[in-house]
Amino acid sequence: DVKVTQSSRYLVKRTGEKVFLECVQDMDHENMFWYRQDPGLGLRLIYFSYDVKMKEKGDIPEGYSVSREKKERFSLILESASTNQTSMYLCASSSWTSGRSTQYFGPGTRLTVL
Amino acid sequence: ELKVEQNPLFLSMQEGKNYTIYCNYSTTSDRLYWYRQDPGKSLESLFVLLSNGAVKQEGRLMASLDTKARLSTLHITAAVHDLSATYFCAVDIQGAQKLVFGQGTRLTINP
Repeated sequence: DVKVTQSSRYLVKRTGEKVFLECVQDMDHENMFWYRQDPGLGLRLIYFSYDVKMKEKGDIPEGYSVSREKKERFSLILESASTNQTSMYLCASSSWTSGRSTQYFGPGTRLTVL
Repeated sequence: ELKVEQNPLFLSMQEGKNYTIYCNYSTTSDRLYWYRQDPGKSLESLFVLLSNGAVKQEGRLMASLDTKARLSTLHITAAVHDLSATYFCAVDIQGAQKLVFGQGTRLTINP
């Protein structure tokens, strides 16, 4: 079974803090993704990566950055957290070698910025 | 810009009834996904639809894809309480793995 883990289930930070959200997958997937989920808006793609050291902007990259130094790990960074970044953050991974290219999701991190 | 719209957004139904959730999208795509999310949990993959006319079934759920109409449906047959969850459709832009999600349909099935 594919397993995608995220470093924290719940996180509370203060405005202006630098925040790191970590995601690790154990299936040697090439592709990794960060989404945020807000009520009524579904999931929105923040950043994604097709390979180590590669990153691509998604639909809402402003205020975020990412790092992918190892294939299994994809980090989301909030350089200076703001209250409008309070949200549920979901990481996902997938592989091109699977014809279906299903994305497998982690359990999510609920981030509150005070 | 690809837009994905689900309806209804909220659905309350009784056990034993049938119903359909609709997913419309605005740009050509031939790859559509359905996910389920239980409260406080992450997303679980239900179906992957890869071509026009594709139909997939698992238990009481059946999904179909009409790429010409840019429409996918998720049909629930003889609903049971365990199917209560939020259901999302997602469309893949040009096979690039950049998924655009619908808003989600919160389904509540009452005994």
